[in-house]
Amino acid sequence: KNQVEQSPQSLIILEGKNCTLQCNYTVSPFSNLRWYKQDTGRGPVSLTIMTFSENTKSNGRYTATLDADTKQSSLHITASQLSDSASYICVVSDRGSTLGRLYFGRGTQLTVWP
Amino acid sequence: EADIYQTPRYLVIGTGKKITLECSQTMGHDKMYWYQQDPGMELHLIHYSYGVNSTEKGDLSSESTVSRIRTEHFPLTLESARPSHTSQYLCASSESPPPGQGSEKLFFGSGTQLSVL
Repeated sequence: KNQVEQSPQSLIILEGKNCTLQCNYTVSPFSNLRWYKQDTGRGPVSLTIMTFSENTKSNGRYTATLDADTKQSSLHITASQLSDSASYICVVSDRGSTLGRLYFGRGTQLTVWP
Repeated sequence: EADIYQTPRYLVIGTGKKITLECSQTMGHDKMYWYQQDPGMELHLIHYSYGVNSTEKGDLSSESTVSRIRTEHFPLTLESARPSHTSQYLCASSESPPPGQGSEKLFFGSGTQLSVL
């Protein structure tokens, strides 16, 4: 069964600290993995997209890693800010460059405290 | 910033009412989607369209219907709303990139939070 599991379910950190969110998937075949940020009451916004040949990709203070062999990805947030408080969603696609079937995780709810 | 708009942002209605959730995009994308999301849960695809006059049901069974008469417009209709329809509805659009130019990107609207009493 194709699944995307994220951990932790929720996380609270202090402003300025770093954190790492995890994503494990069983989707096959695998095409690409996406991380989205979703603010409360808003639609998701894309952070990174990685294909199977990419090990790491950065977008400002966000760095995503991918291990296609172990089917794991992580999203590392550096020097967190209050505006980083949001749900972070891992999404795996089973197709090529065109959008195939998307498998969504339930997200990690991150709260950054001052 | 994605140019995809949803209205209304919030809607509270009584059981049995007919409602239409609006979604428009100005990016000229051929592909459009409707997702349903409950708090703390994953997004579920309920409808999608690959172009004008093309609509398909998604993975999650839904009593809603959609239409695609114009490229930029993809409204979702509930003929008779029920409390079980209470949820957040997210519209999205995408376009295939030219060959060799990366993966297709998905752009979401801000969503409509629907509450049926």
